[in-house]
Amino acid sequence: EVQLVESGGGLVQPGGSLRLSCAASGFTFSSYWMSWVRQAPGKGLEWVANIKQDGSEKYYVDSVKGRFTISRDNAKNSLYLQMNSLRAEDTAVYYCARETETLDYWGQGTLVTVSS
Amino acid sequence: QSALTQPASVSGSPGQSITISCTGTSSDVGGYNYVSWYQQHPGKAPKLMIYDVSNRPSGVSNRFSGSKSGNTASLTISGLQAEDEADYYCSSYTSSSTLLVFGGGTKLTVL
Repeated sequence: EVQLVESGGGLVQPGGSLRLSCAASGFTFSSYWMSWVRQAPGKGLEWVANIKQDGSEKYYVDSVKGRFTISRDNAKNSLYLQMNSLRAEDTAVYYCARETETLDYWGQGTLVTVSS
Repeated sequence: QSALTQPASVSGSPGQSITISCTGTSSDVGGYNYVSWYQQHPGKAPKLMIYDVSNRPSGVSNRFSGSKSGNTASLTISGLQAEDEADYYCSSYTSSSTLLVFGGGTKLTVL
């Protein structure tokens, strides 16, 4: 059974940093692109970033370029999102998702709140 | 403002059929057959319902179907059931720097 479990969310002040993790199981993690998608409270879904199987390609939505870094550790079956210079508008539930030609499996999400 | 345009809400009675539209451009919906639809119940993660415009993942009811014409994709749910009440989001890959875009979401109410 495919499982994705996010962790690392919490309350952080504007300008602060946070590192999200996503633990994957039930599939060959190193064979798939992976994505982060976020959802602000009461709002829709927004794709944030994705990373190729070997980490050699990474893509970001414009609003997080230069502030967020996606990475992975295939030996640990884990996906990460390092978030720096956080802003109030980054407040959201962050989901990791397995990517094929679609986002076929999603984690339950972790809430990031940016507030003073 | 979302890249793809969906109606904010639709409604239907049990047993009826409804269709949710998702309008983009030739740079996303019209240019790729990588349109997906997700169902999201309150407080839950999105669930894939349709991928590649019209394909259903294993385990998804055949009451859900997808199609595309030009720059507009559609999700049809037939034989509406109470458990179908949820938010529905479309998505498409895009040729822009934002590789994947979503619609703003449609709230389906089963009357």
